[in-house]
Amino acid sequence: TQLLEQSPQFLSIQEGENLTVYCNSSSVFSSLQWYRQEPGEGPVLLVTVVTGGEVKKLKRLTFQFGDARKDSSLHITAAQPGDTGLYLCAGASWGNEKLTFGTGTRLTIIP
Amino acid sequence: DTGVSQDPRHKITKRGQNVTFRCDPISEHNRLYWYRQTLGQGPEFLTYFQNEAQLEKSRLLSDRFSAERPKGSFSTLEIQRTEQGDSAMYLCASSLDIRGNTIYFGEGSWLTVV
Repeated sequence: TQLLEQSPQFLSIQEGENLTVYCNSSSVFSSLQWYRQEPGEGPVLLVTVVTGGEVKKLKRLTFQFGDARKDSSLHITAAQPGDTGLYLCAGASWGNEKLTFGTGTRLTIIP
Repeated sequence: DTGVSQDPRHKITKRGQNVTFRCDPISEHNRLYWYRQTLGQGPEFLTYFQNEAQLEKSRLLSDRFSAERPKGSFSTLEIQRTEQGDSAMYLCASSLDIRGNTIYFGEGSWLTVV
């Protein structure tokens, strides 16, 4: 069974600070996706990374896929209250494109 | 809006009743997935279809659960004889049949069994 562990599980920081969320596994993935989810809503896709070592930027968010395709990180610069939410990483494997989700990081940005 | 749509968004039912959820995927997406999510947890895979064929089912999908996608377009997820432990958000998602293709989620159907 593939497992994705996210850390930290909870994070509460002041507006304007920087933060990094980690997603780690012992399994190799063909691609990895990051989602943000609001309470009572479905996950909304932020980014998909498919190449080992790949870095993608989305405004103040920077996503990195590990060289070995086993881990990923999400870095947020100058966090804003609108960044508050549950951040989920999810990996897909070759020949089996269903997603395995991480445990989630609940982020709270304090104004 | 051409995203994944789910109906109903919320359902409250008494224990022992049957419930059915519907999912309409993004047009031309031939893969359709069902996930279940409980509070504070990430989504857990239940089953997925490629066109009308159900290709994989999780052990989480007990014999009280059945999913169909009869014409390869919309899908239904039925839960028979609901139990309180079935209370969760049921998420539908769809994607194209391309390796590494992005999976898009609907807004979910929230089930409360009382």
